[in-house]
Amino acid sequence: QKEVEQDPGPLSVPEGAIVSLNCTYSNSAFQYFMWYRQYSRKGPELLMYTYSSGNKEDGRFTAQVDKSSKYISLFIRDSQPSDSATYLCAMSLNNNDMRFGAGTRLTVKP
Amino acid sequence: DTEVTQTPKHLVMGMTNKKSLKCEQHMGHRAMYWYKQKAKKPPELMFVYSYEKLSINESVPSRFSPECPNSSLLNLHLHALQPEDSALYLCASSQAPGLRRDYGYTFGSGTRLTVV
Repeated sequence: QKEVEQDPGPLSVPEGAIVSLNCTYSNSAFQYFMWYRQYSRKGPELLMYTYSSGNKEDGRFTAQVDKSSKYISLFIRDSQPSDSATYLCAMSLNNNDMRFGAGTRLTVKP
Repeated sequence: DTEVTQTPKHLVMGMTNKKSLKCEQHMGHRAMYWYKQKAKKPPELMFVYSYEKLSINESVPSRFSPECPNSSLLNLHLHALQPEDSALYLCASSQAPGLRRDYGYTFGSGTRLTVV
């Protein structure tokens, strides 16, 4: 079993849709949870960062962490074509050994 | 300055060559990382430097040799690589490890390495 599981997609949605991305993990000791966006041929860009459980909102993005279920989610509201990218979940024990999920390739169609 | 700068952006090297990848940040971050990313795959952790000391080596072959000359610089020395080592090599930095902050890692744009 992989430490971090993420459906690679691809996922295609119309502009304006709500996008739901999620990851599951096996190591209950993970404490730091992140979502990154990666455009083609670029490095990952941090979108959301959460320590331990709970929700966090930033503009059109909402991150949720459910440690009891070992499940994290990223919601994108009012999706735009510019949101088309690969979204990577990542998590770590003590913020210095981050492990990535496989990444979900998202396309938002105009 | 909120960036991680990696040079070169592209590198083609032969299997007998020696080359180095460079990474620089001026955000005062005390942890720096090397990741390797193959096409359509997630980044894989290679090395972690914490306060300029190597703290994690993910069983990377010795043909990859990291170096952290100071708190702002991170190098990856390459020697006798194989074609399967061709990948995007990403450098990242973060606040001191284990420190709880509302930050994640800041990544550079990477060096796209091709071994011929």
